[in-house]
Amino acid sequence: EIVMTQSPATLSVSPGERATLSCRASQSVSNKLAWYQQRPGQAPRLLIYGASTRATGIPARFSGGGSGTEFTLTISSLQSEDFAVYYCQQYNIWPLTFGGGTKVE
Amino acid sequence: EVQLVESGGGLVKPGGSLRLSCAASGFTFSFYTMNWVRQAPGEGLEWVSSISPNGDYMYYAVSVKGRFTISRDNAKNSLYLEMNSLRVEDTAVYYCARRRTDSSGWYEFDYWGQGSLVTVS
Repeated sequence: EIVMTQSPATLSVSPGERATLSCRASQSVSNKLAWYQQRPGQAPRLLIYGASTRATGIPARFSGGGSGTEFTLTISSLQSEDFAVYYCQQYNIWPLTFGGGTKVE
Repeated sequence: EVQLVESGGGLVKPGGSLRLSCAASGFTFSFYTMNWVRQAPGEGLEWVSSISPNGDYMYYAVSVKGRFTISRDNAKNSLYLEMNSLRVEDTAVYYCARRRTDSSGWYEFDYWGQGSLVTVS
């Protein structure tokens, strides 16, 4: 099983600041990596797929990068609605696995 | 508009059974791999099971294999999860999720339902 490790667990930032979240895979997942946002009480929402492609309707302030085992999600200028938990997920190899999440507060 | 609506959650005793349903609309259901993902209270996301577009192939997490069964009815645009021998640790919100699918493969979860809470106690 591929273990996905996200860091930090919690990221404290101010509105308007830049946030960089990390995700590491225990073995290569190529570019088969997605990022999801989950606001309190809501279902997860797809942000990024293919490591760097924004999903439909996702603002340009969200960007993804990396390949292989190291990935990042960057939010260029945090808006109030961006304070949430973010998960990475690999879909290269069964079983599909998620990281433990990063809470942006 | 893609919509996924789960139902069937509730309170069940350890060792009991429950059947979740997911009603899909807004897309051609039979074209897509469908999935269940769960989230225990205060915890992260855990993939549970997937089923191929025509139902020929099913995949399960080790934690549920042999106890849970995924199925679908393409005529009814519906996905199901039959859960048997339920354990306290199966307590979670269960999400129905569509997986982007094309002729080259299966990809990320692009749409999610709002979830159905299953409590085993």
